[in-house]
Amino acid sequence: QVQLLQSGAEVKKPGSSIKVSCKTSGGTFNSDAISWVRQAPGQGLQWMGGIIPRFHTTNYAQSFRGRVTVTADEPTNTAYMELSGLKSEDTAVYYCASVRRNTYGPAYFDLWGQGTLVTVSS
Amino acid sequence: DIQMTQSPSSLAASVGDRVTISCQASRDIRNHLNWYQQKPGKAPKLLIYDASNLERGVPSRFSGSGSGTDFTFTISSLQPEDFATYFCQQYDDLLSFGGGTKVEIK
Repeated sequence: QVQLLQSGAEVKKPGSSIKVSCKTSGGTFNSDAISWVRQAPGQGLQWMGGIIPRFHTTNYAQSFRGRVTVTADEPTNTAYMELSGLKSEDTAVYYCASVRRNTYGPAYFDLWGQGTLVTVSS
Repeated sequence: DIQMTQSPSSLAASVGDRVTISCQASRDIRNHLNWYQQKPGKAPKLLIYDASNLERGVPSRFSGSGSGTDFTFTISSLQPEDFATYFCQQYDDLLSFGGGTKVEIK
């Protein structure tokens, strides 16, 4: 059974960067996209950006452009999300998710990682 | 980016009640709209895709409708396991989520 396995929780200082990994276990990258979504405590879901590993094409939400970078390493079936310039407001659970495509493009979030808690505190 | 506005942000209902949640897009997104259920400490689960199609294995008491900018999600008879938070999500232009609706026990 395919699973997305994320790296563990981290505590970071304001102004620093974080890099979270997401490894596909029990399967390989296919033409689906991998997206990153975050959820601050008690808040909703916020799409940050994503990548189609086969083509290395990326897209980012406007609110994160310039601060987030999503990459993928096909040989290891691992995707990464790096967020720079961390602020206390970036404290959240960060999820990776496989986004199933349809004829229009990436469409349905159908498999999620377990989430990675990132705490930003001085 | 397309903004998705959900209402209400929370509601209280009883087992057996009919529950309706609305989602409005900031511009026409055709039927490019999905609905998810999230329980505390868990990742979201896809329930409805393309506005009105039931994901495999999801009970038929869940349904969705709408097109363009206005969408509705309905639970026909609320069950104890349905108390959760529900999100809409568009994929017409990149991806984005609504703010969520928390369904609580009355």
